[in-house]
Amino acid sequence: GNSVTQMEGPVTLSEEAFLTINCTYTATGYPSLFWYVQYPGEGLQLLLKATKADDKGSNKGFEATYRKETTSFHLEKGSVQVSDSAVYFCALSANTGNQFYFGTGTSLTVIP
Amino acid sequence: EAGVAQSPRYKIIEKRQSVAFWCNPISGHATLYWYQQILGQGPKLLIQFQNNGVVDDSQLPKDRFSAERLKGVDSTLKIQPAKLEDSAVYLCASSLEKGSSYEQYFGPGTRLTVT
Repeated sequence: GNSVTQMEGPVTLSEEAFLTINCTYTATGYPSLFWYVQYPGEGLQLLLKATKADDKGSNKGFEATYRKETTSFHLEKGSVQVSDSAVYFCALSANTGNQFYFGTGTSLTVIP
Repeated sequence: EAGVAQSPRYKIIEKRQSVAFWCNPISGHATLYWYQQILGQGPKLLIQFQNNGVVDDSQLPKDRFSAERLKGVDSTLKIQPAKLEDSAVYLCASSLEKGSSYEQYFGPGTRLTVT
C-alpha cells in the first residue's frame, strides 16, 4: 500500500540554523511527492513538489529531492527564520486518481 | 483568485447529535476532497469527488458519514450520529483535475469538538 513516514517532532532551532526534516515513503507505482506547510491558524499550503525520480523541488529557500533508491524526500533549508515556524507535512499522491497520503507532520519552532 | 471556502470554522456538539459542513471549491476545479485531521496526525482522505461523482470513499465510515456534491460545485459532509472520536478538523481541498501532477488547494478547515 501507500504510506508516508515522517520525522517526529517537535523540532526547535535557532534562527539561521540548518534544517532537515526526514520523510520516507512506501508506494506502488510512481507517486508524486509533496511538502505542505501549515502556519498557525491557517490551512495547508503547498511548499514544493517533485513528480519523478531525481527531481528537486524548491521554494522559499526550502529544497527536497525525490530519491527513488532510498524512497526518501527529505526537506532541507540552509538558514531558517522565525517566520518558518509551522507544521510541515510530507505527502505522496498515488498515480491513479490523485489520492493523497500524508505523514503525521513535524512541528518546527524557530527561536530568535 | 478566491480560495477554498469552508463553513462553519468551529462547531461544538454533543455525542449522538448530527452536524453538517459545507465546502465551496475554487471555481473550475473538477476534483474535490474531504479529509479528517485528528490532532497530532496528518490528514486522512475520507472521500474524493470528480465533478458530481464519487471517485474514492473507501475510508468514509458510511454508517455515520455521508457526503454529496450534487451539482459538481459545492459539497456538504454530514455526520449522524456523532461520536467522541469524530473530534477533528475537517479539511476540504480541490484540484483542477484528478491527476497526480495537479496541486490540491486546501480550505481553512472546520474544527469539530464532540462532547
